[in-house]
Amino acid sequence: DAGVIQSPRHEVTEMGQEVTLRCKPISGHNSLFWYRQTMMRGLELLIYFNNNVPIDDSGMPEDRFSAKMPNASFSTLKIQPSEPRDSAVYFCASSLRQGAVGNQPQHFGDGTRLSIL
Amino acid sequence: DAKTTQPPSMDCAEGRAANLPCNHSTISGNEYVYWYRQIHSQGPQYIIHGLKNNETNEMASLIITEDRKSSTLILPHATLRDTAVYYCMLYSGGGADGLTFGKGTHLIIQP
Repeated sequence: DAGVIQSPRHEVTEMGQEVTLRCKPISGHNSLFWYRQTMMRGLELLIYFNNNVPIDDSGMPEDRFSAKMPNASFSTLKIQPSEPRDSAVYFCASSLRQGAVGNQPQHFGDGTRLSIL
Repeated sequence: DAKTTQPPSMDCAEGRAANLPCNHSTISGNEYVYWYRQIHSQGPQYIIHGLKNNETNEMASLIITEDRKSSTLILPHATLRDTAVYYCMLYSGGGADGLTFGKGTHLIIQP
C-alpha cells in the first residue's frame, strides 16, 4: 500500500521566494498533520486537519506560513516569503480520524528537506 | 512541552533485547502511550501504542506499569537496523494537545 507521499523531497531556494510543499495522505485517512523538524527544536506540530478542515493551527510560526487541504487526498504548506530560518525538514502525517479517543496512530511521509539561502 | 521523559541515549548488543524506558508521571486517564522511531533522514515510523494493558505486535512489545506512570518498549532481538531515535509520546485525541514529540532516546545497536 502507498504510504504518505510528499513532494519535493528536497528544495533549495533563495530567501524571499515562495515555497510550496505538497502532501498526499494515505487513502481513507481523514486526519492530516504538518510537522517541522530542526536540530534545535526537534519535531514540532504546525497544523492539523480533520476531514479537510483545519482544527488547530497554533503551531504555525507566523503569517508567512499557510496550509490548505482542498480535498481528502491533497494538502499544501506554503511559505511566502521564505527566510533562512525556515530551513528544516517538513513532515506530513496522516491517520484515521482523531476523534474523542486518541487511539489512531499517525503515519509519516519521508519529508521535504528545505534549504533557504 | 513533552509530557514524557526518556534517556538521551542507550546501547544494546545485536541479538539482545533492547528495553527503552519512558516516564510519564502526569499521564491522564484517557491518554494513550505511543512509540515511534526515526531512522536517520526518514520520517518517524509508528511502532506500537497502548492505554492500560501490555501490547505486542510484530515489531515490539509495550509494557505499561499498573499506575501508568511509566512504560517500557521492548525490541526482543535487536538488529543493526533498529539503530534509531525512539520517541515516547502521549495522546488522548480530540485536538492537537499532546501531539508533542520530546527529544527521544538514541538507541545504538552494537555488532
